[in-house]
Amino acid sequence: RKEVEQDPGPFNVPEGATVAFNCTYSNSASQSFFWYRQDCRKEPKLLMSVYSSGNEDGRFTAQLNRASQYISLLIRDSKLSDSATYLCVVPRSSGSARQLTFGSGTQLTVLP
Amino acid sequence: DAMVIQNPRYQVTQFGKPVTLSCSQTLNHNVMYWYQQKSSQAPKLLFHYYDKDFNNEADTPDNFQSRRPNTSFCFLDIRSPGLGDAAMYLCATSGEGTGRTYEQYFGPGTRLTVT
Repeated sequence: RKEVEQDPGPFNVPEGATVAFNCTYSNSASQSFFWYRQDCRKEPKLLMSVYSSGNEDGRFTAQLNRASQYISLLIRDSKLSDSATYLCVVPRSSGSARQLTFGSGTQLTVLP
Repeated sequence: DAMVIQNPRYQVTQFGKPVTLSCSQTLNHNVMYWYQQKSSQAPKLLFHYYDKDFNNEADTPDNFQSRRPNTSFCFLDIRSPGLGDAAMYLCATSGEGTGRTYEQYFGPGTRLTVT
């Protein structure tokens, strides 16, 4: 299994829809997980951190399933401005946990 | 506002001509990272500094070097850029002991073109 694997995408959804992305990881010892958002030709920006079973911030909910080793990101009431690539990120399984492994990203386009 | 700053934002260099990219941070984070990101790919870690301790990735070419003269600044030197080194170079920081140890914060990146 790859260290981090994400839904291939792309996802094209209408404004107002609910969309969910899944991500699986191989490092069973990971204690922290992240979702980053990256706009075209810009830097990744931290969207959510997950240190326990999940996290919620407004329209965004991240859930962690340790038994199955997957993390999901749910976006409710999608806005046009949510269009971006979403990167699932977990600490590396070898070396220092401060080294992160980035998934290849899932592209989301919210359509008017 | 505390932030990560990269200069220049765009850099054009000639094949084989050394180039230096710079990164500075006002977050007072003790860890600084350099990533390379090519189009439609995930960021790839080149190396990182934990304080003054340099940590190179096993697959980072010798062509890439780094310096960290103080907590705030970090430089990426590409000694002899090839066409394959054209990419976005991202600097990131994280603060161990802050309670959010593994959260990394990125600068805006430097887009390198090699002609």
